[in-house]
Amino acid sequence: KQEVTQIPAALSVPEGENLVLNCSFTDSAIYNLQWFRQDPGKGLTSLLLIQSSQREQTSGRLNASLDKSSGRSTLYIAASQPGDSATYLCAVSQPSNFGNEKLTFGTGTRLTIIP
Amino acid sequence: DAGVTQSPTHLIKTRGQQVTLRCSPKSGHDTVSWYQQALGQGPQFIFQYYEEEERQRGNFPDRFSGHQFPNYSSELNVNALLLGDSALYLCASSSVRTGQVTYEQYFGPGTRLTVT
Repeated sequence: KQEVTQIPAALSVPEGENLVLNCSFTDSAIYNLQWFRQDPGKGLTSLLLIQSSQREQTSGRLNASLDKSSGRSTLYIAASQPGDSATYLCAVSQPSNFGNEKLTFGTGTRLTIIP
Repeated sequence: DAGVTQSPTHLIKTRGQQVTLRCSPKSGHDTVSWYQQALGQGPQFIFQYYEEEERQRGNFPDRFSGHQFPNYSSELNVNALLLGDSALYLCASSSVRTGQVTYEQYFGPGTRLTVT
C-alpha cells in the first residue's frame, strides 16, 4: 500500500526567502507525481506534474524534483511572497490497467510567509 | 473553458439522512474521480467513473455510491449519514483519450458537507 509523507507539517518563513518542501513515498513504482496548492476551505490547484521518467519540472518561481528510486520529491519556492501562504500537497499515482489513476496524497505542509 | 464545477458549495445534513453531490468535469475530460478530505488531512480516494461505470474504488463502505451520466458529469451519493462523513468532497476530472499521456487531474472547488 502506497503511503505519502510530507515534512514539515507546518513552516513559517520571512518574505523573500527561498524554501523547500519535502515529500516521500513508500512505493517507487509511480506513474506521476503532482504538487497541489490548497487555500483554506478551497479546492486543489495543480502546480506541477512530474512524470516518472522526468527528474524535474519548473513553473515560474516553482521547481519540483523527483527521485523515484529513493521515493522523494521536493518543491522549491524561490523568493517567497505572502500570497504563497497556503497548504501544499503532494500526490502520487500508480500504474494499473485503467490509465487514469487514483491519487494517493500526503497530509500537506501548511506554509505561512511572514511579511 | 470552464473548469471542474461542483454543487452545492455547502450542505448541512442530519445523521441518517441521504445526500447527493454533483460534479461537471472540465471540457474534454471523460473520467471523474471523487475524494473525501477530512479537516487537516489529505484527500482520500473514494471511487472513479469512466464510461458510466465505476472503475476503481477506495476503502469506503457501500453507503458511498455514484453515477456517471452520458455527458460525463457525475453524482456522489451518501446514505445513512454519520457524523464522521463531515468533510470536504472533491471531484477531479481527467482524460484517457489518445494523446493524453500525463493523466493530470484537475480538481473542483469542493462541497463542504456538515453532518449534525
